[in-house]
Amino acid sequence: ETGVTQSPTHLIKTRGQQVTLRCSSQSGHNTVSWYQQALGQGPQFIFQYYREEENGRGNFPPRFSGLQFPNYSSELNVNALELDDSALYLCASSFAGTYGYTFGSGTRLTVV
Amino acid sequence: QQQVKQSPQSLIVQKGGIPIINCAYENTAFDYFPWYQQFPGKGPALLIAIRPDVSEKKEGRFTISFNKSAKQFSLHIMDSQPGDSATYFCAASSPGGSYIPTFGRGTSLIVHP
Repeated sequence: ETGVTQSPTHLIKTRGQQVTLRCSSQSGHNTVSWYQQALGQGPQFIFQYYREEENGRGNFPPRFSGLQFPNYSSELNVNALELDDSALYLCASSFAGTYGYTFGSGTRLTVV
Repeated sequence: QQQVKQSPQSLIVQKGGIPIINCAYENTAFDYFPWYQQFPGKGPALLIAIRPDVSEKKEGRFTISFNKSAKQFSLHIMDSQPGDSATYFCAASSPGGSYIPTFGRGTSLIVHP
């Protein structure tokens, strides 16, 4: 049974650029959630995808968008990057209707 | 608006001590309360979780105490070890919230040898 894998592990982007982060969900899971974790803070929910559609969204602007693919993998896209977007981005997979969330190791994004 | 409040922000204990981390929640619809452990450079990993129909749950050296009327729950780490040094997050979920965990701000624990 494979866990949640995220790529890349680290990324440096310039303010105003766009970035795409990728996540492969754990085997048997069909739901993917994305979180932003700023330094010294708890993970903040961005959005969740189920059946390739957004299934819930936190307090993040529309420049944060995502996709889920038929194999349940997912992408997080962030447009017009701002310095405050620098954070660890975590992907978590789960089976719909259950509490068990498995997290990946995250992508560390630095915006300069 | 912070739905899950966690304290303290940081904690330092000696090996063998019993660190206690506290959390309080506001939303009475929450019915699942997990604790996650996070090491530097890693994602959070589920440590132990409790449902509100019990007041205590133990798994190895980790114990959750739950007080439904006070809307509070806490994590106790018995006989703490240097390897327990990590950041701990409490969280809460509900079916109405699509089971999505809402996290506290975290507690950085250091256990000195």
